[in-house]
Amino acid sequence: AQRVTQPEKLLSVFKGAPVELKCNYSYSGSPELFWYVQYSRQRLQLLLRHISRESIKGFTADLNKGETSFHLKKPFAQEEDSAMYYCALSHFGNQFYFGTGTSLTVIP
Amino acid sequence: DAGVTQSPTHLIKTRGQHVTLRCSPISGHKSVSWYQQVLGQGPQFIFQYYEKEERGRGNFPDRFSARQFPNYSSELNVNALLLGDSALYLCASSLGGGVGAYEQYFGPGTRLTVT
Repeated sequence: AQRVTQPEKLLSVFKGAPVELKCNYSYSGSPELFWYVQYSRQRLQLLLRHISRESIKGFTADLNKGETSFHLKKPFAQEEDSAMYYCALSHFGNQFYFGTGTSLTVIP
Repeated sequence: DAGVTQSPTHLIKTRGQHVTLRCSPISGHKSVSWYQQVLGQGPQFIFQYYEKEERGRGNFPDRFSARQFPNYSSELNVNALLLGDSALYLCASSLGGGVGAYEQYFGPGTRLTVT
């Protein structure tokens, strides 16, 4: 069965420190993986998808099929990065599976 | 464009009742997906519709149903409400179904409370 696991519910880092939000998945096939972000009082929005291999707001994520992971990383955290982050997996774009989310707090 | 809109914003229902939630996608988007988000959890996929046809279904009971109209708006219906149906219901729209659904735009959600 498809599943997305985010082991950390809460994560705090100091401004300027590196940040890594973990995501592991189980899927029988080639997954499409995404990171979504929800800033305070805003809607859930797409941050990045693995297929585009873009860096958005300084964040990157690499798909590691061997470890079935898709961790989100940023070398220098900023206060405006404080938000709820969700890892998600898609089954051919017709079904989506979200993790339970990680709440990131960047301490000034 | 106001983005994806959902109505109502919130509502309270009693166990056993029926509820209809509505979603209007971004202009030009032909696909709508519905999610249930219980407090402290991530969104759980319920349905995806594209061009008025169901393209995906999550692991929800038959009490949950949906449809998409010719103008691409959508309704989610839940019958015989249970306390456990209390949640935030999110709608997301995208340009197309399948791979065209990858970039989803979410609405603000409808907060349903079942008493």
